[in-house]
Amino acid sequence: DTAVSQTPKYLVTQMGNDKSIKCEQNLGHDTMYWYKQDSKKFLKIMFSYNNKELIINETVPNRFSPKSPDKAHLNLHINSLELGDSAVYFCASSRPPGQQWTGSGNTIYFGEGSWLTVV
Amino acid sequence: AQTVTQSQPEMSVQEAETVTLSCTYDTSESDYYLFWYKQPPSRQMILVIRQEAYKQQNATENRFSVNFQKAAKSFSLKISDSQLGDAAMYFCAYNDAGNMLTFGGGTRLMVKP
Repeated sequence: DTAVSQTPKYLVTQMGNDKSIKCEQNLGHDTMYWYKQDSKKFLKIMFSYNNKELIINETVPNRFSPKSPDKAHLNLHINSLELGDSAVYFCASSRPPGQQWTGSGNTIYFGEGSWLTVV
Repeated sequence: AQTVTQSQPEMSVQEAETVTLSCTYDTSESDYYLFWYKQPPSRQMILVIRQEAYKQQNATENRFSVNFQKAAKSFSLKISDSQLGDAAMYFCAYNDAGNMLTFGGGTRLMVKP
């Protein structure tokens, strides 16, 4: 069973379109993330949610809007897609702050990535 | 802000030999975790090894081990008996109670048969 799953894995779309990437985790974690990996392979956090509440919001355009209907899901919606949005987007999950110093600790588990290409 | 630096953009190793990937980081925290992730061409992020900063003993996972030097803020990864399947991008990463994983720029490892 996949611990962190995201769909779609591949997405090719035109500039100006709106698209969503869905993410689900079955690890029982309270904290979920979206990371972006650009063409130079640099990985950077975009958002972090703890139990459905936004706790980290890095400098990301307003066109990106995360939504967490429950603590097992964190979806990413992107409006008015631009060429520069082409990247691999990773969903991830972990234990929340305060529970990270026991057991497996502060390990973050990643989904397989969603390859977004904007043409 | 925490930063993670991987000074080797590319490394090459002969199959069955040993290679060491370097990583340094900057933090003012005393409690934190350090990780090495492997990313093959499929782009999946695979956890290789984890080190808790409060532990003096270096972490080991089969052919993978780390050299953690807390005072020097250094966290290198040693791969012994390198295999063709080890070829990938390797990312060093840092996390503390702030709940945010900070990555280095990555090192591409090539394994020669």
